[in-house]
Amino acid sequence: EDQVTQSPEALRLQEGESSSLNCSYTVSGLRGLFWYRQDPGKGPEFLFTLYSAGEEKEKERLKATLTKKESFLHITAPKPEDSATYLCVTRYSTLTFGKGTMLLVSP
Amino acid sequence: EAQVTQNPRYLITVTGKKLTVTCSQNMNHEYMSWYRQDPGLGLRQIYYSMNVEVTDKGDVPEGYKVSRKEKRNFPLILESPSPNQTSLYFCASSPGTGAEQYFGPGTRLTVT
Repeated sequence: EDQVTQSPEALRLQEGESSSLNCSYTVSGLRGLFWYRQDPGKGPEFLFTLYSAGEEKEKERLKATLTKKESFLHITAPKPEDSATYLCVTRYSTLTFGKGTMLLVSP
Repeated sequence: EAQVTQNPRYLITVTGKKLTVTCSQNMNHEYMSWYRQDPGLGLRQIYYSMNVEVTDKGDVPEGYKVSRKEKRNFPLILESPSPNQTSLYFCASSPGTGAEQYFGPGTRLTVT
């Protein structure tokens, strides 16, 4: 069974304290890995798609990277408005959602 | 504005009373999907549709029905809701199965 594991489950940062979120997967023949941001009670919002090892995508303070077994979402100098749950989704023949990392950035 | 809309946003109902949650998208997307989200379990796919009149089961289809008669609409039907279907439901659309998805605002359903 395909598995997607996100770590840590929760992360608390001070404003400006950079860190990384991890998404490990056991899917062979990956056909795409997606990152989403979800605010409480709202629908997930698309951030990035990665397709091959070595690929990187950036958007403001976020950078997503991909290796053969994991993806990282790097957050540089985060702000309180970056507080949200970040979801990793892999695509093989079907979509598999991770359970997310809940990020809290304190001022 | 490109968006996915769901109605109702909140619904409290009783066991066995049939209900429909509507979903509509204005982006001409071929792919649409329904998910439920429960604490500790994450998002799980209920049904998806790759085009008009084409639907298929996701991971947790039991107790749900869907139809896709028009490209823009993808309603979720609970013929006989039960308390274990209490959840937060999301509809999503996408230009294709390998592309990013656009999610609706969610429908919080409580079945008593």
